[in-house]
Amino acid sequence: AQSVAQPEDQVNVAEGNPLTVKCTYSVSGNPYLFWYVQYPNRGLQFLLKYITGDNLVKGSYGFEAEFNKSQTSFHLKKPSALVSDSALYFCAVRDGGNTPLVFGKGTRLSVIA
Amino acid sequence: GAVVSQHPSRVICKSGTSVKIECRSLDFQATTMFWYRQFPKKSLMLMATSNEGSKATYEQGVEKDKFLINHASLTLSTLTVTSAHPEDSSFYICSAGRTGDSSPLHFGNGTRLTVT
Repeated sequence: AQSVAQPEDQVNVAEGNPLTVKCTYSVSGNPYLFWYVQYPNRGLQFLLKYITGDNLVKGSYGFEAEFNKSQTSFHLKKPSALVSDSALYFCAVRDGGNTPLVFGKGTRLSVIA
Repeated sequence: GAVVSQHPSRVICKSGTSVKIECRSLDFQATTMFWYRQFPKKSLMLMATSNEGSKATYEQGVEKDKFLINHASLTLSTLTVTSAHPEDSSFYICSAGRTGDSSPLHFGNGTRLTVT
């Protein structure tokens, strides 16, 4: 069975500093990995995905993520955080095909001005 | 722009009544849609997979007679919470994706259900 772990419930970072939100995964085959962001009382917005190819994936709003097969990780990063980046971030994995996403528990990012 | 539309965004109902939530894919056909439930400060829990033209597949522990799912067309799935109780109060989110392994799922904006 596939699973995703987000070890941090909360990440605090000062505006302008780099940020990292951690994610590790477990799948039986090749992973399809995703990051989503959720603002209060809203659905999820897609940020980026890794399917195959370059390990460094660039996504929306300046976010990027690095796929590391040996460490089974897919950490989300941004070089310079903005206050508006404050939200709930979910890492997710999919088993391919028309299958549902399995989510991590989420990490709340707080960017302080 | 939004590719999955969910309605209503917020509903308050009395205990014992039923509530219908609609999920539409706006610019693509979705043979499969997914319904999630999110508890406060918790992750998303998959409730069921909605299949166009056939019965939904429910996750373990989800009551299919309470959470009725209908996927009557390639662009519309509905979730009906029947005989709602206060413990059904939650945030319900639908999602759908275009066909293909690499397609991300797109999510509706969610429905905040409050049962009084």
